Amino acid sequence: DGGITQSPKYLFRKEGQNVTLSCEQNLNHDAMYWYRQDPGQGLRLIYYSQIVNDFQKGDIAEGYSVSREKKESFPLTVTSAQKNPTAFYLCASSIRGFAENNEQFFGPGTRLTVL
Amino acid sequence: KQEVTQIPAALSVPEGENLVLNCSFTDSAIYNLQWFRQDPGKGLTSLLLIQSSQREQTSGRLNASLDKSSGRSTLYIAASQPGDSATYLCAVGGNQFYFGTGTSLTVIP
Repeated sequence: DGGITQSPKYLFRKEGQNVTLSCEQNLNHDAMYWYRQDPGQGLRLIYYSQIVNDFQKGDIAEGYSVSREKKESFPLTVTSAQKNPTAFYLCASSIRGFAENNEQFFGPGTRLTVL
Repeated sequence: KQEVTQIPAALSVPEGENLVLNCSFTDSAIYNLQWFRQDPGKGLTSLLLIQSSQREQTSGRLNASLDKSSGRSTLYIAASQPGDSATYLCAVGGNQFYFGTGTSLTVIP
């Protein structure tokens, strides 16, 4: 059963803590992405990776970090430097990076709340 | 920077009605355009992907069109059902993917 999994579904963070959101895919896709979704706004790109051991900043990378050590995994760390981390985080993947015939598939999301 | 707009922000229709959702974008240099459905608190489900060289794509009761020159795409839903109630998002693929803010659709039984 191919797809993208994200864990946990809900996450609560205290001020000053770093937290890591998990994203795993078994679709054999080269490219993976992290987006943030806030009410009334479109999805905004945080980081993306088009190949293992390489990743690029998106529009709102400040306060976030990622790694891509394995093709199937792309974890996102929300650091204490992120001023307003409460949001819905979505992970996606596609066969390749930004190119023709490149359909994106999404995971179920993680809702992060700062207490 | 690419800007993607979806109008209306919300739409309510009676069951059985045909409807059209709109997506407009400012930069025509795109690779593709993708329509998604999102249910409350859930991830995005891909509905249709249109390549930049294509004019339309169909899947069941859904038909999406693309006019690059005018920067517009429409998603046509035929014979709407209560189960179609969700938020519909369009995303334009270029040097990255740019998303609209969505149209929230309610189909009234």
